[in-house]
Amino acid sequence: NAGVTQTPKFQVLKTGQSMTLQCAQDMNHEYMSWYRQDPGMGLRLIHYSVGAGITDQGEVPNGYNVSRSTTEDFPLRLLSAAPSQTSVYFCASSYSSPNEQFFGPGTRLTVL
Amino acid sequence: RKEVEQDPGPFNVPEGATVAFNCTYSNSASQSFFWYRQDCRKEPKLLMSVYSSGNEDGRFTAQLNRASQYISLLIRDSKLSDSATYLCAVRGTYKYIFGTGTRLKVLA
Repeated sequence: NAGVTQTPKFQVLKTGQSMTLQCAQDMNHEYMSWYRQDPGMGLRLIHYSVGAGITDQGEVPNGYNVSRSTTEDFPLRLLSAAPSQTSVYFCASSYSSPNEQFFGPGTRLTVL
Repeated sequence: RKEVEQDPGPFNVPEGATVAFNCTYSNSASQSFFWYRQDCRKEPKLLMSVYSSGNEDGRFTAQLNRASQYISLLIRDSKLSDSATYLCAVRGTYKYIFGTGTRLKVLA
């Protein structure tokens, strides 16, 4: 069991570039989510999904897109990177009932 | 007002001390409550779920007060290894909302 995996671990982008952060889980969890973590701001929910084909917005969705074509994968797309998107991004998953979330190791993104 | 609020700390305590953290939430319909631990530059990991009747796991005790809308975490006999950031999390129907975290540093 790999749990929740994220790639890449580190990424540097220039303003205006686009990229996709990958997230996969092998626990057959229905629920998956993306957070960003900034100093003093805690974890803020970007987007979440309650199952394949179903996604919804969290607190800070602007500038990000998601899709959920399979149970296992939940990629996060940055459409046109901005310096304000410099952050650590965590993907998490859980069963749909109110259970603990399991987090991936994070992606550290810097936008210049 | 944030949906979930925590004192950011830092709390600096000597080894062996008892320390308590509180976390308040604004949504009275919240269903589930959790405490996570996050070490520096690592992902959050579940420390314990918080049940209505309160629950204990070794040196850690978690309590929920629905009337006042807060959860608490008590750490007894603090160890150096307890130094970390402690995040509370509250789940509604679908969304988990996290507090900003409370930093704890246990001093030798």
